[in-house]
Amino acid sequence: GEDVEQSLFLSVREGDSSVINCTYTDSSSTYLYWYKQEPGAGLQLLTYIFSNMDMKQDQRLTVLLNKKDKHLSLRIADTQTGDSAIYFCAERGMKTSYDKVIFGPGTSLSVIP
Amino acid sequence: DTGVSQDPRHKITKRGQNVTFRCDPISEHNRLYWYRQTLGQGPEFLTYFQNEAQLEKSRLLSDRFSAERPKGSFSTLEIQRTEQGDSAMYLCASSLATGFSNEQFFGPGTRLTVL
Repeated sequence: GEDVEQSLFLSVREGDSSVINCTYTDSSSTYLYWYKQEPGAGLQLLTYIFSNMDMKQDQRLTVLLNKKDKHLSLRIADTQTGDSAIYFCAERGMKTSYDKVIFGPGTSLSVIP
Repeated sequence: DTGVSQDPRHKITKRGQNVTFRCDPISEHNRLYWYRQTLGQGPEFLTYFQNEAQLEKSRLLSDRFSAERPKGSFSTLEIQRTEQGDSAMYLCASSLATGFSNEQFFGPGTRLTVL
């Protein structure tokens, strides 16, 4: 079935790197996304990766995709207090509906000054 | 502000009452999505429209829920005979069908509390 899993909490010190992990079950996934949600706000797309890529880098963000293990990670370099938020992994696949995006439960990132 | 807007931002109602939420997507976006998000969970897909056509509905969308997008622009989500289990954040998103990644832009959500 459709399932996206993430660890629920992560705490890091300011200036360190954060790594948020995600696993998914749909092998037909075409796009995988990372969204950020700050308190009281909607979701903001941070980055995405197409399923035929292994890695994507965008400034402080690095996305790694292991398609064989269905594992996705988001690395945030030089984590700042403004990065404190909930991060959602999401996948879009062909198995159910091409236009349906399945979200994980979110990882709450706390950055300690 | 040309982002996705939702109204109201907060709604408190008594069990059994009907509520209606509105979503205004980004103007050139032809796809519009509704999600429900409960505490500690990610958004769960409810339904989506391409222009005025409702193309898919989740099993989560019971008979008490109805969504419309009459002119292919704004959309409404109505919940009839609300139950306490309907308490959640209702999120709307929009996208451009021809967009490469089909990036969905989310509104701030409507938080519903059913007493």
